[in-house]
Amino acid sequence: QQQVKQSPQSLIVQKGGIPIINCAYENTAFDYFPWYQQFPGKGPALLIAIRPDVSEKKEGRFTISFNKSAKQFSLHIMDSQPGDSATYFCAARANTGGFKTIFGAGTRLFVKA
Amino acid sequence: NAGVTQTPKFQVLKTGQSMTLQCAQDMNHEYMSWYRQDPGMGLRLIHYSVGAGITDQGEVPNGYNVSRSTTEDFPLRLLSAAPSQTSVYFCASSKTGTDEAFFGQGTRLTVV
Repeated sequence: QQQVKQSPQSLIVQKGGIPIINCAYENTAFDYFPWYQQFPGKGPALLIAIRPDVSEKKEGRFTISFNKSAKQFSLHIMDSQPGDSATYFCAARANTGGFKTIFGAGTRLFVKA
Repeated sequence: NAGVTQTPKFQVLKTGQSMTLQCAQDMNHEYMSWYRQDPGMGLRLIHYSVGAGITDQGEVPNGYNVSRSTTEDFPLRLLSAAPSQTSVYFCASSKTGTDEAFFGQGTRLTVV
């Protein structure tokens, strides 16, 4: 049973487009929602994160939207660039039970030049 | 500052062999964890540790053992390798369980 469901599996956009990646969760104990970016042959790296007391967070061209009642959150990449081509993972962490972080299945993004 | 270092980067094992994947961090982080990454499955937590001498199971612990005798090291042991353990393994560390996690470069393991 996947605790964090991520879609789509893959995404192709033109340079300057706004790719959107969606995630949904069930466990109401989750209280921290990070997004990780992974380039081929590398480990994931933290991109941006949000807590459920805010509905939106922006860092540069990356924005997280959070809907607590729907238990959904999404990543938007404004003015996407070829260098943004990577795999993106959403994740969720509970504030109990060892602070385990659970990841979504990942979205492979390709930005065409 | 090396961060999180994993060795080896690549490994091929025969079914039934045992081996240890090494993970070391030089950031004095208390929290360390092991994940496996498989296509379409994301990263799944194998084991984690909240400090030296303390370990616990994650989502997919079967077939793996861990120990944490020092703050710096968190080795992952495969007891009897199986083809289903073919995967890319990542070690991660964070200052505490509530801080940003830093990942190593990964170990690509193939079991034949």
